[in-house]
Amino acid sequence: DAGVIQSPRHEVTEMGQEVTLRCKPISGHNSLFWYRQTMMRGLELLIYFNNNVPIDDSGMPEDRFSAKMPNASFSTLKIQPSEPRDSAVYFCASSSTRGWNTEAFFGQGTRLTVV
Amino acid sequence: GDSVTQMEGPVTLSEEAFLTINCTYTATGYPSLFWYVQYPGEGLQLLLKATKADDKGSNKGFEATYRKETTSFHLEKGSVQVSDSAVYFCALSDPTRDDKIIFGKGTRLHILP
Repeated sequence: DAGVIQSPRHEVTEMGQEVTLRCKPISGHNSLFWYRQTMMRGLELLIYFNNNVPIDDSGMPEDRFSAKMPNASFSTLKIQPSEPRDSAVYFCASSSTRGWNTEAFFGQGTRLTVV
Repeated sequence: GDSVTQMEGPVTLSEEAFLTINCTYTATGYPSLFWYVQYPGEGLQLLLKATKADDKGSNKGFEATYRKETTSFHLEKGSVQVSDSAVYFCALSDPTRDDKIIFGKGTRLHILP
């Protein structure tokens, strides 16, 4: 398996523009996480899906952020409109809640810069 | 709610020194415990894990023992190398919380040659 795949790896956009980050989880995994990492705030859980259903979105900072998981092999995180303070590295991770191996596997991240 | 607390960094050590990074947790159930490592410019990678009390996880010379009585999962290595310089995250997965994975804030480790 290729692991968790995120795209794009880097994104530079102007303030006010819409940004869409994409994630393909590991095949067979039924949980998906979106995290944001900054120097100031560390690693923050934004939203958590289980079996394609959002279970906990309490970490989503504002209504400008939205996430979807239309099927088991794809998820998006959208920021509209984007602001400079959204600049961060966004990670997607997936795991399986079946059995004992519940560890998360991370993608390489998307480095977002909003200017 | 569930939480993970780990020692703040940065931690700076000389090569071949002994390493301990403390981690304690709170959880309603019986969680699985993990240590992840993040090298510069990369995502997090699983370093080791333990799924029940008294289990010892180990990998690449690192070890951590699941201590239920002290709710701890401290990371140790007997002799660190420059290549161990990275950020280390303690985490838990709680089956009573839909297996949501919760991370500590991370500890940056610098190893000096």
